[in-house]
Amino acid sequence: AQKVTQTQTSISVVEKTTVTMDCVYETRDSSYFLFWYKQTASGEIVFLIRQDSYKKENATVGHYSLNFQKPKSSIGLIITATQIEDSAVYFCAMRNNAGAKLTFGGGTRLTVRP
Amino acid sequence: GGIITQTPKFLIGQEGQKLTLKCQQNFNHDTMYWYRQDSGKGLRLIYYSITENDLQKGDLSEGYDASREKKSSFSLTVTSAQKNEMAVFLCASSPLLGGQDTQYFGPGTRLLVL
Repeated sequence: AQKVTQTQTSISVVEKTTVTMDCVYETRDSSYFLFWYKQTASGEIVFLIRQDSYKKENATVGHYSLNFQKPKSSIGLIITATQIEDSAVYFCAMRNNAGAKLTFGGGTRLTVRP
Repeated sequence: GGIITQTPKFLIGQEGQKLTLKCQQNFNHDTMYWYRQDSGKGLRLIYYSITENDLQKGDLSEGYDASREKKSSFSLTVTSAQKNEMAVFLCASSPLLGGQDTQYFGPGTRLLVL
């Protein structure tokens, strides 16, 4: 069975700094996909970035990037130049190659303060 | 672009009541999902559907029924609401069933059972 764990319950940073959120996963599948989503205060869930397990290069989208360490089953999310609007709950999720199931971690609440 | 609409936004029910939540998407996506989110936790899959009239159980299907009347709509029924139950139900859709497909989420229905 798949499992996703986010050990950081909450993080607080000063704006314009860089933050890293941790995520580790468990799977028996050789091919899988890792996602990060953001849930805003209104409850809206927005897709941010994806890493395919067979790709060695870390995915980057805007000021989001990933630190994919496959041997450690780890997929950290890095946000550079944080802004107040980045304050939200961030969820890590994974999915295997064939299944519909997206398995979510428990989330990390990020607070960006002035 | 497209949008996912969920109705109602808030739902207050009585113990033992049968409650129905509705979801509509105009992405023309094949696959639709229902997730449950409990306070401060990640999302758990209840049901999904890969095409009209198809239904697949997720991890949390007991106590729920679902119906995919047409490609654009997916309903979820709480068969017997539990007293003091409080959760957010999120509908999502994706183009296909492939592992790399991004799921897009609706705004959620907030349920409270008195």
